[in-house]
Amino acid sequence: QKEVEQNSGPLSVPEGAIASLNCTYSDRGSQSFFWYRQYSGKSPELIMSIYSNGDKEDGRFTAQLNKASQYVSLLIRDSQPSDSATYLCAVRRDGANDYKLSFGAGTTVTVRA
Amino acid sequence: DAGVTQSPTHLIKTRGQQVTLRCSPKSGHDTVSWYQQALGQGPQFIFQYYEEEERQRGNFPDRFSGHQFPNYSSELNVNALLLGDSALYLCASSHTGTYTGELFFGEGSRLTVL
Repeated sequence: QKEVEQNSGPLSVPEGAIASLNCTYSDRGSQSFFWYRQYSGKSPELIMSIYSNGDKEDGRFTAQLNKASQYVSLLIRDSQPSDSATYLCAVRRDGANDYKLSFGAGTTVTVRA
Repeated sequence: DAGVTQSPTHLIKTRGQQVTLRCSPKSGHDTVSWYQQALGQGPQFIFQYYEEEERQRGNFPDRFSGHQFPNYSSELNVNALLLGDSALYLCASSHTGTYTGELFFGEGSRLTVL
C-alpha cells in the first residue's frame, strides 16, 4: 500500500468551475498535511497546509482534513486557466527525528477556457 | 532574496558514471533535503542534512550520498549510475527552528542516464 494516494487524473474542468482533489494516507501517525502545486517543468510550491480536522480556506483554495478517515482534499473554486498544473498531496508524521514529507503521485488539473 | 539554487540544471551521464549535484539553500535556512522525482511520480525523500550531518535517510541505496558545508550548501553524489536513476533531483530548504513542514524547492537538476 502506498503511503499517500491521490485520485488519478487528469482532471479537466471548465473555467469558473470547482476542481476537487482527493488524497488518502496510510500512516495514522501523520500530523501535518500539505498541498503543493507543480507547473510543468517547474518545482513544487506550497499552496496550502492543514494540521487539524476540518476546513481551511485561503482565497479560492479550501483544504479539508479528516484524520479518522485518513483523508485530505483540496477544492479550487472559480478555477482559472492559471490553475492548470499538477497538485501534489504531502504528509508528515511529525515524530521525533522524522522530518521527511511523503508525497502522492499527483493529480494533473487542466482548466478549459 | 535568493531562493533555493541548484546546479547544473540539466546533465547527461552514462551508466556506471558518477554525478555530483549542488544546492544552495534559501537565505536564512539551515537545513537541506534532497528528493528524487521520476517522470509522472511525486518526489521521493532521499535524505536531509542539518548541522553538516545526515539527519534522516529515505529508502535509497548507499550509492546515494551527500554532504553539507558550513555555509549550509549541500551536494548530492550518486555513484555507479543506473538507467533508473534518470529523474529530476530536487533540493528543498527549511529552517529547523521554525520548521512546520513547509519546504522551499529549487528548480531541480534533471539527470538523464544513457
